[in-house]
Amino acid sequence: LAKTTQPVSMDSYEGQEVNITCSHNNIATNDYITWYQQFPSQGPRFIIQGYKTKVTNEVASLFIPADRKSSTLSLPRVSLSDTAVYYCLVAPFSGGYNKLIFGAGTRLAVHP
Amino acid sequence: KAGVTQTPRYLIKTRGQQVTLSCSPISGHRSVSWYQQTPGQGLQFLFEYFSETQRNKGNFPGRFSGRQFSNSRSEMNVSTLELGDSALYLCASSSDSAGETQYFGPGTRLLVL
Repeated sequence: LAKTTQPVSMDSYEGQEVNITCSHNNIATNDYITWYQQFPSQGPRFIIQGYKTKVTNEVASLFIPADRKSSTLSLPRVSLSDTAVYYCLVAPFSGGYNKLIFGAGTRLAVHP
Repeated sequence: KAGVTQTPRYLIKTRGQQVTLSCSPISGHRSVSWYQQTPGQGLQFLFEYFSETQRNKGNFPGRFSGRQFSNSRSEMNVSTLELGDSALYLCASSSDSAGETQYFGPGTRLLVL
């Protein structure tokens, strides 16, 4: 499974847009890119998933360049409640590849 | 659609005891995975069950075991508990279709004294 690299921590202020970039140089053809959010003592919550180009949902956008070796999670107008750890993962998510390898994630702190 | 549920949410045991944790996946999901999360090691994969068979296994000792029932509900068991087993145990389910991600439950917080 592809290994990912993302910043250890980031700081932002309420109302700002936050972009977290993830590097995955060894991504395979059938891998999807998925981002999870986790609050302390809770299970990771699915945020967004994509394969290529851009994906947008009600909480975030995911930008994936053509070579797919990196991706950027964009959180528009963050609030204090967005303070959490964000994990970037790549995996095929099918046919027995449900063995997710989590890195350390990015600790996002949103300040008033 | 109801999410992944885990019981119990909190558990306190003493060293040497054994514990069984339960996970009910999202309706229709046949794959159930278990993870252990500790401050030192982060989120680590334990094992995955699909159609009542263990399909993937992480690097944990044999004290950690699991099973899956015909309704896809899963249990994990830890025998001869050690202090280091104190952790948040997370269950995740998926439909196992291409591109379908895993959805996590709230976890079971286990404290071993």
